[in-house]
Amino acid sequence: KQEVTQIPAALSVPEGENLVLNCSFTDSAIYNLQWFRQDPGKGLTSLLLIQSSQREQTSGRLNASLDKSSGRSTLYIAASQPGDSATYLCAGIGSARQLTFGSGTQLTVLP
Amino acid sequence: EAGVVQSPRYKIIEKKQPVAFWCNPISGHNTLYWYLQNLGQGPELLIRYENEEAVDDSQLPKDRFSAERLKGVDSTLKIQPAELGDSAVYLCASSLYPGADYEQYFGPGTRLTVT
Repeated sequence: KQEVTQIPAALSVPEGENLVLNCSFTDSAIYNLQWFRQDPGKGLTSLLLIQSSQREQTSGRLNASLDKSSGRSTLYIAASQPGDSATYLCAGIGSARQLTFGSGTQLTVLP
Repeated sequence: EAGVVQSPRYKIIEKKQPVAFWCNPISGHNTLYWYLQNLGQGPELLIRYENEEAVDDSQLPKDRFSAERLKGVDSTLKIQPAELGDSAVYLCASSLYPGADYEQYFGPGTRLTVT
């Protein structure tokens, strides 16, 4: 069974700082990995989808990488802003063909 | 384009009462998912539909939970009777097709509180 772990559980940074969020998964036969953002009381917003044949995806200030051999993905956020404050969740589809989520990293960007 | 719509957004009920949640997926999306999200945790899949067919319901507690997707569009998730431990956020998502290559789009969720 796929297990997904996110570290740290919470992170607080000053505005303007570059930061990295980490995600690790146990099933190396992963088909894709998706990063989501969740604001308090809201649903999930898809940020980036990395397919197993890809190594990274970029959208604006966000860059996500996928290393299947090590079972890791990272989400890089450049020049963080207070509006980036949210919970970031990674989720992978492995051999069970279902999306398995980590518990998330709660990010606070201080003005 | 309208996103995934869910109602109600909030629901408070007493234990042992029934409750139902409704989901309208993105138009044209073949696949619909129901997830359960406990506080501080990531969502967990309850059931997945492809058109009208429930193709993965292995994590749905069938003694009290039921779901249906009439005509392959809207879906309803029901709990009867509700227990205190059912308090959580119930999320609905849809994708164009099943499979790893298709992004899942989530609705805002229904926050259930059982007292």
